[in-house]
Amino acid sequence: EPEVTQTPSHQVTQMGQEVILRCVPISNHLYFYWYRQILGQKVEFLVSFYNNEISEKSEIFDDQFSVERPDGSNFTLKIRSTKLEDSAMYFCASKRTGLETQYFGPGTRLLVL
Amino acid sequence: KNEVEQSPQNLTAQEGEFITINCSYSVGISALHWLQQHPGGGIVSLFMLSSGKKKHGRLIATINIQEKHSSLHITASHPRDSAVYICAVRDNNTDKLIFGTGTRLQVFP
Repeated sequence: EPEVTQTPSHQVTQMGQEVILRCVPISNHLYFYWYRQILGQKVEFLVSFYNNEISEKSEIFDDQFSVERPDGSNFTLKIRSTKLEDSAMYFCASKRTGLETQYFGPGTRLLVL
Repeated sequence: KNEVEQSPQNLTAQEGEFITINCSYSVGISALHWLQQHPGGGIVSLFMLSSGKKKHGRLIATINIQEKHSSLHITASHPRDSAVYICAVRDNNTDKLIFGTGTRLQVFP
């Protein structure tokens, strides 16, 4: 069964460094999302992406964050200058149409030191 | 106040027990999701509902749109059902999901 994949599974970085989290959505999916979950807290929406542009973003998704779909398969989340509070699990999700359920990737655990 | 509230926060059960997890929401929604998160962190979608009831194996999800309430039931619970169960709603006006804080379920043999 097709699945969403994410790399890396874990990343440790120094405060102020740039990180890129990568996702490969399911191949015929058109809607893409990033979520984050700080340890012990609920999952929070970051951004949605459709038709090669951001369709919605949350207050968390400030100028330090950006998303890209550089080719037909990858969907990336870049954090330009990481802060300690960016430490979290980051989930990518995708869906085929607006009405269908989202499929989540396994997550990338980011630790900022 | 959270837009999505779940109860209970924690639940322990003996194997074989019938489990109910509740979700209430305060916003207009176009769909409600029940998700399962295992200790490793991965999230699996169990159900997406916009009305009525859905069943998959030992899992049943119901929703009452008028009362803004949904329940997830697990029949004949098993230790492998131990996980965090998360309710998430799709806001009526946008495509984003709003998540509850989750219910941590532990089923003991």
